[in-house]
Amino acid sequence: QQQVKQSPQSLIVQKGGISIINCAYENTAFDYFPWYQQFPGKGPALLIAIRPDVSEKKEGRFTISFNKSAKQFSLHIMDSQPGDSATYFCAASIRGNTPLVFGKGTRLSVIA
Amino acid sequence: DADVTQTPRNRITKTGKRIMLECSQTKGHDRMYWYRQDPGLGLRLIYYSFDVKDINKGEISDGYSVSRQAQAKFSLSLESAIPNQTALYFCATSESGPGSEQYFGPGTRLTVT
Repeated sequence: QQQVKQSPQSLIVQKGGISIINCAYENTAFDYFPWYQQFPGKGPALLIAIRPDVSEKKEGRFTISFNKSAKQFSLHIMDSQPGDSATYFCAASIRGNTPLVFGKGTRLSVIA
Repeated sequence: DADVTQTPRNRITKTGKRIMLECSQTKGHDRMYWYRQDPGLGLRLIYYSFDVKDINKGEISDGYSVSRQAQAKFSLSLESAIPNQTALYFCATSESGPGSEQYFGPGTRLTVT
């Protein structure tokens, strides 16, 4: 049973456009929702994270939107750049006492 | 120097061989993890350890075993490798407590022929 469903699997965005990646979860006990970014040949690295007590968190061009009632959260990349081309993973965990459960990933390509 | 190192970085082995992947960390973290990455399947947890005396199975532990030799070292073994274990393997570490960031190693690309 996949606990975190991520879509789309791949995404192509024009430079300067907005990239949107969505995730949905089933387990209402999840209370920590990070996004990881992975460049080719590298391990994933934390990009941004949110807790369910807020509906949005912004760090530079990256924003997480969180909808607790719908059990969904999304990553928005504003003014997408070719350097943002990478694979993005959403994840979730429970009170830091369980390992992260990852989505299947979205491969983002930003073209000039 | 990298905080989380994995050896080897690439390995080709034959079906039935025993192989060990090693992970070392200098971050002083208690928690360590082994993941497997396959195209289209994301990151799947194999085993995790919350301290030296704690070992837990993850989502896909069959065919794998682990050893936590010290706080800084966590090894993954394939007792008898099979071709469908061909994948990219990542070790990760984190502090204890809620919302702790996981730090990933550079990965080991394993091919079983």
